[in-house]
Amino acid sequence: EDKVVQSPLSLVVHEGDTVTLNCSYEVTNFRSLLWYKQEKKAPTFLFMLTSSGIEKKSGRLSSILDKKELFSILNITATQTGDSAIYLCLISYNTDKLIFGTGTRLQVFP
Amino acid sequence: EAGVTQSPTHLIKTRGQQATLRCSPISGHTSVYWYQQALGLGLQFLLWYDEGEERNRGNFPPRFSGRQFPNYSSELNVNALELEDSALYLCASSSTSGFNEQFFGPGTRLTVL
Repeated sequence: EDKVVQSPLSLVVHEGDTVTLNCSYEVTNFRSLLWYKQEKKAPTFLFMLTSSGIEKKSGRLSSILDKKELFSILNITATQTGDSAIYLCLISYNTDKLIFGTGTRLQVFP
Repeated sequence: EAGVTQSPTHLIKTRGQQATLRCSPISGHTSVYWYQQALGLGLQFLLWYDEGEERNRGNFPPRFSGRQFPNYSSELNVNALELEDSALYLCASSSTSGFNEQFFGPGTRLTVL
């Protein structure tokens, strides 16, 4: 059965800490992995990863994909309270299948 | 550029009724996706439309249906509403099918009493 598992489920840190979020998957014919940040309603796009080993970076956020070990990590350095959100990974696979992970809830306290 | 829009923002129905949710994609986007986010659960893929055709659907019963119009806007219909259909319904659009960045709308909060 195709599945996407994110870990940890929940994370509480203080401002300035660095966090690493994990998205592991088991799907057939992987196509791409996308990371989203969901604060209130609409998830906002962070990164799209299709190739192994190539780091995508945007400010304090970075992400990398390992297609051999079937996971991706999302790193956030020097966390701020505004980083508090649910972080979701979305996998597209086969020709037309999509599956979201369960998400990691990140809370950053001052 | 306008983003993905959804209407209504909130919808309250009673069990057994039908609900219709609407989504307008970003101009130029041809793919529309529907997701359900029930309380305490993650985003569940519902339906995917591209160029007016249903490309794929998630593990939802047939009373969840929809369509995409020639202008690429979309409707999600939920028949014979059940209490557990209460959720946030999110619509997303992308410029090409599936494997590109999806832009999400603000969602419709459906409450079934």
